[in-house]
Amino acid sequence: DAGVTQSPTHLIKTRGQQVTLRCSPKSGHDTVSWYQQALGQGPQFIFQYYEEEERQRGNFPDRFSGHQYPNYSSELNVNALLLGDSALYLCASSYTQGNSGYTFGSGTRLTVV
Amino acid sequence: GESVGLHLPTLSVQEGDNSIINCAYSNSASDYFIWYKQESGKGPQFIIDIRSNMDKRQGQRVTVLLNKTVKHLSLQIAATQPGDSAVYFCAEKMSGQNFVFGPGTRLSVLP
Repeated sequence: DAGVTQSPTHLIKTRGQQVTLRCSPKSGHDTVSWYQQALGQGPQFIFQYYEEEERQRGNFPDRFSGHQYPNYSSELNVNALLLGDSALYLCASSYTQGNSGYTFGSGTRLTVV
Repeated sequence: GESVGLHLPTLSVQEGDNSIINCAYSNSASDYFIWYKQESGKGPQFIIDIRSNMDKRQGQRVTVLLNKTVKHLSLQIAATQPGDSAVYFCAEKMSGQNFVFGPGTRLSVLP
């Protein structure tokens, strides 16, 4: 049973560019949450998708957007990249009717130069 | 692999000793808590959870203690092994909300 898979694993972008990160949730999970983890810090919540809609959002600017597909997979898009967007981006999946923790992917390491 | 955190609080313990990692959580309304382990180059991995109607829960070699009066959570690891070396995060959650993570503690197991 595959867990959460994210792609790509590493990415280097230039300031001002746009990036799309992808996530496939664990089998049986229908909810996807995205987190940003800067070096030396805990993960910070970006947003959560359920039923192809953004259900909750953390304190991130509109440059951060997302999408969820009918198969529950999800994308995170970041426009007009800043140096400060360099971080590990984590995708976590869960089952909305469950009451338990998230399963995390290994993340995408984004470096903005 | 990549480094998860360079400036985290670090706990160094001798192999075979017990480890205690502490966490102060922020929201008195949080009703669900998880300890995650994050190894270099990997995402956080679930270790153990506890709900607010409990004050102690035990797993295999791990115990979580919850003190709601002072909003404190601790993770105890018995007979610490080299494979336990990682960064440990506590995460809190209110019903209907998302998990909020603490800043993390790096556990270093000395041979």
